[in-house]
Amino acid sequence: ILNVEQSPQSLHVQEGDSTNFTCSFPSSNFYALHWYRWETAKSPEALFVMTLNGDEKKKGRISATLNTKEGYSYLYIKGSQPEDSATYLCAGNNAGNMLTFGGGTRLMVKP
Amino acid sequence: DGGITQSPKYLFRKEGQNVTLSCEQNLNHDAMYWYRQDPGQGLRLIYYSQIVNDFQKGDIAEGYSVSREKKESFPLTVTSAQKNPTAFYLCASSARTGLNTGELFFGEGSRLTVL
Repeated sequence: ILNVEQSPQSLHVQEGDSTNFTCSFPSSNFYALHWYRWETAKSPEALFVMTLNGDEKKKGRISATLNTKEGYSYLYIKGSQPEDSATYLCAGNNAGNMLTFGGGTRLMVKP
Repeated sequence: DGGITQSPKYLFRKEGQNVTLSCEQNLNHDAMYWYRQDPGQGLRLIYYSQIVNDFQKGDIAEGYSVSREKKESFPLTVTSAQKNPTAFYLCASSARTGLNTGELFFGEGSRLTVL
């Protein structure tokens, strides 16, 4: 089982603040890194799937970077809004392992 | 609308009873997965199937069984052998299999409580 860790576990920010969280994973034989947003009472939805070292992806105010050599990915949210409140999951896999999820970062944005 | 449908949303079971959770997809995806979530933990893989009539154990398969008789359907049975069955169960699918699955598509989950 791959060891995928996310930090922080939870985060409270004010509306308008920018924020970021971290996903770390073993760098050996890395294959792919996924980010999902999971709103309460809904299904998790994919934000990004990244495979290449140095990848940067953006969707609206949310962006992510990937460093496969050191084994981490950052998720950034610019100008947080209350609708960004959700649990953000990352998942990684390497050769020989199925996708393994981290414990998630729960973000709460106060209006 | 294309997607994944899980049922039931909530299920109560007495100890010693088997229960089956339904997962249906109309995305024409080859691969389907079952995950379990416990408070404070990440999603853990129970079983997955890459093709009809074939499935493999995930990280926590003990006490569970699955079948994949149709591409659209991947039911999960929680047997009486599962020691801590109370949990939230998520079904997912992906268009591709193996290492390069692409994004997963999830259902809304089923919450099982054992009384």
